[in-house]
Parts: sequence; C-alpha cells; structure tokens
Amino acid sequence: DSGVTQTPKHLITATGQRVTLRCSPRSGDLSVYWYQQSLDQGLQFLIQYYNGEERAKGNILERFSAQQFPDLHSELNLSSLELGDSALYFCASSYTGGVDYGYTFGSGTRLTVV
Amino acid sequence: GENVEQHPSTLSVQEGDSAVIKCTYSDSASNYFPWYKQELGKRPQLIIDIRSNVGEKKDQRIAVTLNKTAKHFSLHITETQPEDSAVYFCAASGGYSTLTFGKGTMLLVSP
Repeated sequence: DSGVTQTPKHLITATGQRVTLRCSPRSGDLSVYWYQQSLDQGLQFLIQYYNGEERAKGNILERFSAQQFPDLHSELNLSSLELGDSALYFCASSYTGGVDYGYTFGSGTRLTVV
Repeated sequence: GENVEQHPSTLSVQEGDSAVIKCTYSDSASNYFPWYKQELGKRPQLIIDIRSNVGEKKDQRIAVTLNKTAKHFSLHITETQPEDSAVYFCAASGGYSTLTFGKGTMLLVSP
C-alpha cells in the first residue's frame, strides 16, 4: 500500500456521461498530481494541485476539471465522456510542490467508456 | 516545455544478462531524473533517481548514469531476473515543475 488512495478502482460508463474520480494523498503530502495512462500515450500529465490551489496544468481537456479540498483530497471530474477517454487514471502525491523526492502513485482508476 | 524520449520501446533479454534503457531530455533546466517500474496492472513505483549534481548512482543491481552535457540518462540493470520484467519509465523535471515521462520500455526477461 503506497498510502495514496484512489477510488473507485474500476468504472464502466456510457458515452456522454460524467464521472468523478477521487484521490486521497499520503499523510503529510500537500501536492496532488493527476495523470492519464493509455496504451499509446504513456503517462500524460493532466493537472497538479498544491495545498488547495492549482499549481500546474498539462494536457487536460476542457471537459475535464479537478479540485483539491481543504482536507487535501482531490477529485477529477470527467464529463461528456467519449470512447477515447477510456484509460487508467493515476493520482500521485508529494510533500512539496516540487518533485525533489519523487511522486508516490496510487493504484489508479480504470475507466472504460462504452 | 520538457520533452523526454525513451529507447528502446521493447527489450528482450535472457536471465542473467544486462539491460540498458536510454532517455534524452530537452530542457537544460531539468535537474531531477527518476525511474519508475510498472508491473502489469499495477501502479508505477520509484526504483531509483538521480539529481543533476551527480553523474552516477547505484542501488544493488540497478544503476543510473547522467550526462548533463548531452542531456541523456540511462538505466542499467545487471544480472536480470524474470521478476525484473515490467515497463520502465524515465522522467525529468526542473525542480518545481511536474514530471515529464518517457513513453516507457517493456522489458521481458526470459528464464
């Protein structure tokens, strides 16, 4: 157990729907990162939050949004889902807003859009 | 932004052989280079990292080398074992930036 908790582990939903993925960082970590992993694209950075505030944005679609709450857990919202959104979504956390000590990844949420 | 290229995309070796995976990066400001191992269906796990003020780092059978001038770094695994079979990702970051990952190398170690 890495200490980073992601729920749910699996999600199957239909095109056009909206889902919410949840992440609880390791105790003491202030920063949360969201990554999308598909077979041909590797690990693509979506967005980072540090202590409740957005710190960096990557290749995140406008249909996707995220937030980090006062208790430091984070949610990634995916709307108007398309078949191509099917992927493994990882959350990672680190103590600082930087990466000097590496990320700790959660076990991921496998999203299947049908 | 940072761009990380990783080669090869697949690597097959016999048990006991050595394996080398190479990465290049584009941003000369990057100063932190971790390597992650991802087994099938599992999360990526940090196996070793190196900072720009160090040229080489070893941890038992794995080592990483960094050439800042050429902007490339490599992962070396010696005496490979079947349990080393996994996908390996290199990454680069410039401190307070996020990690940019390579596309991964699938390593297959045959008994």
